[in-house]
Amino acid sequence: DGGITQSPKYLFRKEGQNVTLSCEQNLNHDAMYWYRQDPGQGLRLIYYSQIVNDFQKGDIAEGYSVSREKKESFPLTVTSAQKNPTAFYLCASSFGFQPQHFGDGTRLSIL
Amino acid sequence: QKEVEQDPGPLSVPEGAIVSLNCTYSNSAFQYFMWYRQYSRKGPELLMYTYSSGNKEDGRFTAQVDKSSKYISLFIRDSQPSDSATYLCAMSDGLTGGGNKLTFGTGTQLKVEL
Repeated sequence: DGGITQSPKYLFRKEGQNVTLSCEQNLNHDAMYWYRQDPGQGLRLIYYSQIVNDFQKGDIAEGYSVSREKKESFPLTVTSAQKNPTAFYLCASSFGFQPQHFGDGTRLSIL
Repeated sequence: QKEVEQDPGPLSVPEGAIVSLNCTYSNSAFQYFMWYRQYSRKGPELLMYTYSSGNKEDGRFTAQVDKSSKYISLFIRDSQPSDSATYLCAMSDGLTGGGNKLTFGTGTQLKVEL
């Protein structure tokens, strides 16, 4: 079945630690996105990539980094510079101007 | 003021009721409009996708866009307990962020009771 796989489902971060969230898609979509979801704030765009080896900052990129070495993969690193990382992180992908399709998210918490 | 406003609810209705969910927006450049359904601890699932003004129907769901009023609606007929979820509106101008940058509402939590 085609889809977007995010892992892990739950992740815990210690103070000062970087963590990486995985996002893999087998839909052959060119564009991929990372969002953060907080209660009462909707989804906010962190980074997006329209093509391999290229990505752009979204609205809240500070404290995050990404890479896009393969079309299928768009990992997100939450660095120690992100002071409030506790949130639900969602990865999405799209083909052209078609609507974005989402994975089932990773919930990140601080120990 | 947020670019997209959506009443967070919660909205509680009896089974079989007609549900009306709404979003208002301020950016007149928005021309692509989406409704997503999100169950607890899951990712959003696309329900409806419309371009510009007008109506679109898919089964029990109808999406309406009124660009002159900057107002979009999602109607759910014969609501079922399985419709209990958070409904997110999203929109784009077709130009920003490679043409597909979405701006989301905060979501409306719906509960359909037996």
